[in-house]
Amino acid sequence: GNSVTQMEGPVTLSEEAFLTINCTYTATGYPSLFWYVQYPGEGLQLLLKATKADDKGSNKGFEATYRKETTSFHLEKGSVQVSDSAVYFCALSTFGNEKLTFGTGTRLTIIP
Amino acid sequence: NAGVTQTPKFQVLKTGQSMTLQCAQDMNHNSMYWYRQDPGMGLRLIYYSASEGTTDKGEVPNGYNVSRLNKREFSLRLESAAPSQTSVYFCASSLKQGPNTEAFFGQGTRLTVV
Repeated sequence: GNSVTQMEGPVTLSEEAFLTINCTYTATGYPSLFWYVQYPGEGLQLLLKATKADDKGSNKGFEATYRKETTSFHLEKGSVQVSDSAVYFCALSTFGNEKLTFGTGTRLTIIP
Repeated sequence: NAGVTQTPKFQVLKTGQSMTLQCAQDMNHNSMYWYRQDPGMGLRLIYYSASEGTTDKGEVPNGYNVSRLNKREFSLRLESAAPSQTSVYFCASSLKQGPNTEAFFGQGTRLTVV
């Protein structure tokens, strides 16, 4: 089946620090990969996605590269802001099992 | 544009009570989903509906029923609530099922069963 493993949180960083949140996956079939973000009190919203190997998804200064050889999709940002404080979920879906499978989420707190 | 709307936002139930969580989307999406979110567990799929008139079980369907009332609405019913069903529930929708398809989420319902 499909599964997603994320680095455990919580993660606390100072403003302008470099961020990496690790995500690895196992999939039956060829996956598409997603990062969703959940701001306090809100539902999840799509942050970025990549649909084939070596694709890089990017949005709001965040990036993630689909690495098939290491089955990874790590989320990075060069300089985080207080407004980036949220819970981040890595997710995947595949042909034949097209419902999203989520990781456990990583809570990120940025301190000024 | 409201997107996905869930009601209620908060609910407290006693063990054994029943309730229905309502979800409606105004994006003309075909597929709709119910997830629950628990600490350390991420989001787990309870039920989904690929199109109007069809529903299927997800990862954790026990204790729940669903109805796809029409294309817009997808409700989740707890017939006899249990403390293990204390969770945050999210409804989501997507234009179609497919590996590239973005899902849109409601703001969630925080349910406590005492």
